[in-house]
Amino acid sequence: ETGVTQTPRHLVMGMTNKKSLKCEQHLGHNAMYWYKQSAKKPLELMFVYNFKEQTENNSVPSRFSPECPNSSHLFLHLHTLQPEDSALYLCASSQEPGGSTDTQYFGPGTRLTVL
Amino acid sequence: AQSVTQPDIHITVSEGASLELRCNYSYGATPYLFWYVQSPGQGLQLLLKYFSGDTLVQGIKGFEAEFKRSQSSFNLRKPSVHWSDAAEYFCAVGGRAAGNKLTFGGGTRVLVKP
Repeated sequence: ETGVTQTPRHLVMGMTNKKSLKCEQHLGHNAMYWYKQSAKKPLELMFVYNFKEQTENNSVPSRFSPECPNSSHLFLHLHTLQPEDSALYLCASSQEPGGSTDTQYFGPGTRLTVL
Repeated sequence: AQSVTQPDIHITVSEGASLELRCNYSYGATPYLFWYVQSPGQGLQLLLKYFSGDTLVQGIKGFEAEFKRSQSSFNLRKPSVHWSDAAEYFCAVGGRAAGNKLTFGGGTRVLVKP
């Protein structure tokens, strides 16, 4: 595997389910990100991890819970979601921590549908 | 706060014609500017970036962009479009003062006519 991979690629869940999204980067990068891409809104940054430490939570509801066990893996745990949470969730990584001054490499995303 | 505006939501262009996508940004310090492309069902791929130096930046797939500080713009161009250029294009701004936050524009969807 190369680059940034995400699983699953598609997920359908009910509002009472608990599921997790997984991201893995094979680039040796130090920072990882979760973004939400909705149909009607610009790409929204959700969380940033630099060297496994969370450094940004962009006012994300607590029903989204990130986890970064090491610098190569990032998870997004989902519970009690709402239909408006349906979106494409993108993971990204960058060599340089900080995120806004270095190239970010994106995974293909997980298309989430909440029923 | 920083922001990015991409005024054109959709652009249709004939194959072989030139393409220009507009991007205007607001940022209070020296900007770091990016153009990304997203093909259907894919994540974003970097086309090019501007940090400093020559204001005309060359990228992959024959794209270039010009940074104009006086106009707060970073427009993307390609002289001759190929059918495979049909995608959505995103402009983004960041910088040292922005911390962790890269701010994206709303995107421009490009359709290519045969």
